[in-house]
Amino acid sequence: EIVLTQSPGTLSLSPGESATLSCRASRSVHSDYLAWYQQKPGQPPRLLIYGASSRATGIPDRFSGSGSGTDFTLSISRLEPEDFAVYYCQQDDYSPFTFGPGTKVDIK
Amino acid sequence: EVRLVESGGGLVQPGGSLTLSCAASGFTFSNYDMNWVRQAPGKGPEWLSHIKSDKSDSVKYYRDSVKGRFTVSRDSAENSLYLQMNSLRVEDTAVYYCVRGRRSFDIWGQGTMVTVSS
Repeated sequence: EIVLTQSPGTLSLSPGESATLSCRASRSVHSDYLAWYQQKPGQPPRLLIYGASSRATGIPDRFSGSGSGTDFTLSISRLEPEDFAVYYCQQDDYSPFTFGPGTKVDIK
Repeated sequence: EVRLVESGGGLVQPGGSLTLSCAASGFTFSNYDMNWVRQAPGKGPEWLSHIKSDKSDSVKYYRDSVKGRFTVSRDSAENSLYLQMNSLRVEDTAVYYCVRGRRSFDIWGQGTMVTVSS
């Protein structure tokens, strides 16, 4: 099973600041099969980034993804109030498909 | 509007069974791979099973902890996805989501709660 490790566990930032979230895989994942999701309380996860770097429909350009192999990054520039949430990376290159434990971005 | 609506959750005793349904609308269901993902209270999402599209012979995958207990199926005539769950355990308590896709889980239902308790 591919284990995804996310860091940091919590990121405390102010609106307008930038965020950098890390996702490390226990073995190489094809970029096509790495995605990022945002989840707010009481809601299902929402797809942000697929294929490591492609923004999903309707996702603002302040969200960007990068990386390859075992190291992937989600960057959020100019945090808006609605961006404070939990972010998960996920791979579906190999079964069982796996999610990381999440990074919570909260208001400082 | 592309939509997934789950139903069938509820309270069940350990060892019991439950079947979840997911009604799909707004897209050609038969063309898409589908998944079941669950989320226990206060935890992250956990993928359970994947069923390929009709053109890929509906090949199925499961995580080990549910293999042999859970069975995923689809009925494209009814635009529906199912999850038959047997031998339920307390640790199966979670919100269960029906999710579209492979390479991107792009559409999620709102989920249905399953509580396994005596």
